[in-house]
Amino acid sequence: GAVVSQHPSWVICKSGTSVKIECRSLDFQATTMFWYRQFPKQSLMLMATSNEGSKATYEQGVEKDKFLINHASLTLSTLTVTSAHPEDSSFYICSARDDREQQFFGPGTRLTVL
Amino acid sequence: QKEVEQDPGPLSVPEGAIVSLNCTYSNSAFQYFMWYRQYSRKGPELLMYTYSSGNKEDGRFTAQVDKSSKYISLFIRDSQPSDSATYLCAMSLSNSNSGYALNFGKGTSLLVTP
Repeated sequence: GAVVSQHPSWVICKSGTSVKIECRSLDFQATTMFWYRQFPKQSLMLMATSNEGSKATYEQGVEKDKFLINHASLTLSTLTVTSAHPEDSSFYICSARDDREQQFFGPGTRLTVL
Repeated sequence: QKEVEQDPGPLSVPEGAIVSLNCTYSNSAFQYFMWYRQYSRKGPELLMYTYSSGNKEDGRFTAQVDKSSKYISLFIRDSQPSDSATYLCAMSLSNSNSGYALNFGKGTSLLVTP
């Protein structure tokens, strides 16, 4: 299957700082990428849909000014958590959709906000 | 009522057993059905992807979709301890306006004991 990478895999930051997470499709082009959030023992919760060259579509309840998404190329989307707080600590996972409409997930980024 | 229902388990079986995992859904517009495997603290891995009703087989895995009953299943034959993971069902609409976002079940935790 196709490969999606995420960087960093684990980040610890102080409250009030901003953190950027990168999601890359390594061997295919993805016009659409998705960002999810997963709390322990919970399923994935869709945060936003990221389309290359246009603004992201956020799910209800997700603050677009807090979770900035940029999809500048067909292989890269970034999620920036601005002014992070402890309640933002979670496992963030991206996925990329290929031209056969299959979604492939990255390995996830564990964010811990102190 | 959630759109996708999945028993979280845990499900414990002896090595070599046949495992049956199931999901039900309420939205008859879902067209694409997937099963993902997720190991602890890792991103989900796509196992099976189906579009129509019927069976699809890949090695020890068989995915079954019954659109009339809004019911999907994943069967694992000759289960191995390495199959121990959380299995997530997911489905999406065919409408491009939805961005092909996935709707996930809660995931079923499977433990295969030696």
